[in-house]
Amino acid sequence: GDSVTQMEGPVTLSEEAFLTINCTYTATGYPSLFWYVQYPGEGLQLLLKATKADDKGSNKGFEATYRKETTSFHLEKGSVQVSDSAVYFCALIPLEALVFGKGTRLSVIA
Amino acid sequence: NAGVTQTPKFQVLKTGQSMTLQCAQDMNHNSMYWYRQDPGMGLRLIYYSASEGTTDKGEVPNGYNVSRLNKREFSLRLESAAPSQTSVYFCASSNRGRGANVLTFGAGSRLTVL
Repeated sequence: GDSVTQMEGPVTLSEEAFLTINCTYTATGYPSLFWYVQYPGEGLQLLLKATKADDKGSNKGFEATYRKETTSFHLEKGSVQVSDSAVYFCALIPLEALVFGKGTRLSVIA
Repeated sequence: NAGVTQTPKFQVLKTGQSMTLQCAQDMNHNSMYWYRQDPGMGLRLIYYSASEGTTDKGEVPNGYNVSRLNKREFSLRLESAAPSQTSVYFCASSNRGRGANVLTFGAGSRLTVL
């Protein structure tokens, strides 16, 4: 079935470091791809999305490009801040509902 | 701008007790979902409702029932709670359709079953 695999955490970075969180997927057809973020004690919020191959989603300095040839949707940010500390989930929606990866916890230290 | 509202936020149950988690959305969304979040497991879909009057099983439906009461409300019921159902439960809603299938999540309901 459809699935998402993302790098395991936790990831700890210093402020202003470069961030990459890897995400690969398995799906039939051409699913839409998403990154959601969960801040401590809160629900999930959409961070960015891409709906077709080669689309680049971006928001708050984060970017991810839908790569059909490598079935990947890696999340990147050039300079992380302490406020980016959260759990990040890669997800796809093949048909009816989102399928999530297991999440990657990011901690950014000053 | 309420979005998706879940109640209760916290609940402690004894094994065998029953309870219902309530969810309501005010965005006129067609689809609603219940997920559970467990450490190291990400979010797993329990049930979803693509439209008023329909419900379908997700990945982990056993031990749960749902009711799509109307377009706004989608409740999740545990008839006989088990410790394995200790989790954080999230309700979400969306309007389906390519490019419009972004889910909006509630703040979560933390359930502990002793």
